[in-house]
Amino acid sequence: DARVTQTPRDKVTEMGQEVTMRCQPILGHNTVFWYRQTMMQGLELLAYFRNRAPLDDSGMPKDRFSAEMPDATLATLKIQPSEPRDSAVYFCASGFVGDRGRHGYTFGSGTRLTVV
Amino acid sequence: TQLLEQSPQFLSIQEGENLTVYCNSSSVFSSLQWYRQEPGEGPVLLVTVVTGGEVKKLKRLTFQFGDARKDSSLHITAAQPGDTGLYLCAGESKTSYDKVIFGPGTSLSVIP
Repeated sequence: DARVTQTPRDKVTEMGQEVTMRCQPILGHNTVFWYRQTMMQGLELLAYFRNRAPLDDSGMPKDRFSAEMPDATLATLKIQPSEPRDSAVYFCASGFVGDRGRHGYTFGSGTRLTVV
Repeated sequence: TQLLEQSPQFLSIQEGENLTVYCNSSSVFSSLQWYRQEPGEGPVLLVTVVTGGEVKKLKRLTFQFGDARKDSSLHITAAQPGDTGLYLCAGESKTSYDKVIFGPGTSLSVIP
């Protein structure tokens, strides 16, 4: 089965350090989402891309977060500088959206980030 | 701002019982998706409903989309321990470049 690959699976870092999370979407998928999941807030949409172009990143703290798709096989989410409140599980999801839309996405296993 | 609510938040039932989980919003969605998430993993898509009033069945799971496309329900018949997990509904908005937002989830525990 095709899968969305996220790395690293776990990351522990000190406050103030830069963190980069990577996502390899399923080949042929043109839409990529980044979500953050915590017990308190659930799944929050951070940003998403269509054909590598950002469509909406209003859910992302702009001063410290950035999301990019340098090519069709890689999406990155960067936090600089990281803060303890960024501790969460970060998920990437991909799917194909065509003229008739796309209804359902495949998620990766997530990156569990702990900022101490 | 589009918001999705789910109820109940937590549900603990005995094996063999039936249950219904609800997903509600004041917004209209082009589709409503249901996912199940197990600890340490990402959500897995169960079904998508697109048409108002649509009913879909997946073995013992029945999904319904409200006529106005603002709400949905998930009914499980004869629950089994393997049904345990976090059930998430997600709404897709055609007016916002197919943005997909999630409800807070219903945590289901089925006791053998």
